[in-house]
Amino acid sequence: GAVVSQHPSRVICKSGTSVKIECRSLDFQATTMFWYRQFPKQSLMLMATSNEGSKATYEQGVEKDKFLINHASLTLSTLTVTSAHPEDSSFYICSASGEVGDTQYFGPGTRLTVL
Amino acid sequence: AQKITQTQPGMFVQEKEAVTLDCTYDTSDPSYGLFWYKQPSSGEMIFLIYQGSYDQQNATEGRYSLNFQKARKSANLVISASQLGDSAMYFCAMREGRRYGGSQGNLIFGKGTKLSVKP
Repeated sequence: GAVVSQHPSRVICKSGTSVKIECRSLDFQATTMFWYRQFPKQSLMLMATSNEGSKATYEQGVEKDKFLINHASLTLSTLTVTSAHPEDSSFYICSASGEVGDTQYFGPGTRLTVL
Repeated sequence: AQKITQTQPGMFVQEKEAVTLDCTYDTSDPSYGLFWYKQPSSGEMIFLIYQGSYDQQNATEGRYSLNFQKARKSANLVISASQLGDSAMYFCAMREGRRYGGSQGNLIFGKGTKLSVKP
């Protein structure tokens, strides 16, 4: 199946710093990438959807100035958590899909801890 | 209203037995897709099986099968011959057609069912 990688897998940072998370589709071209957040023992909540070369579409309640998403190529999307605070600590997962109707394949996730 | 409902927060099954994980969905979109994902303790989301709303037959993938009952709006996952490695969270998800102008809409997840396989 399709492989999606995420980097880093785990990051600990101080409050007020910015953190960048990369999501790569390794063996297919991802026309659309999705970013999710998952709090402990909860389900995945969609944060935003991005199509290559265009601005991301954010879900209601997600601050686009805080969670910057860039989908610069068909194999790479980045999520930058700006001025991170402890309440941003969470598990962030990206997914990627290719052709119309294709399955979303998920990255392994990034666990962010903000001190 | 919840779009995806998984009523079983936790389930136990004996190794080698079959288990059914429930999922009901709510949509008015005639075109939709239903997915099941497995999330072990490591956190990664592993795609298991997909059922399209227009598919006539129930989807099967190895030990996984999807019991699709369209009129009831249910898409239960059946795992046959459970293995210890099947212990994980299982999420049912739905995609409702094209929502953001892109090639496909986003996934809406249920709250998940934690499956524990007993030796």
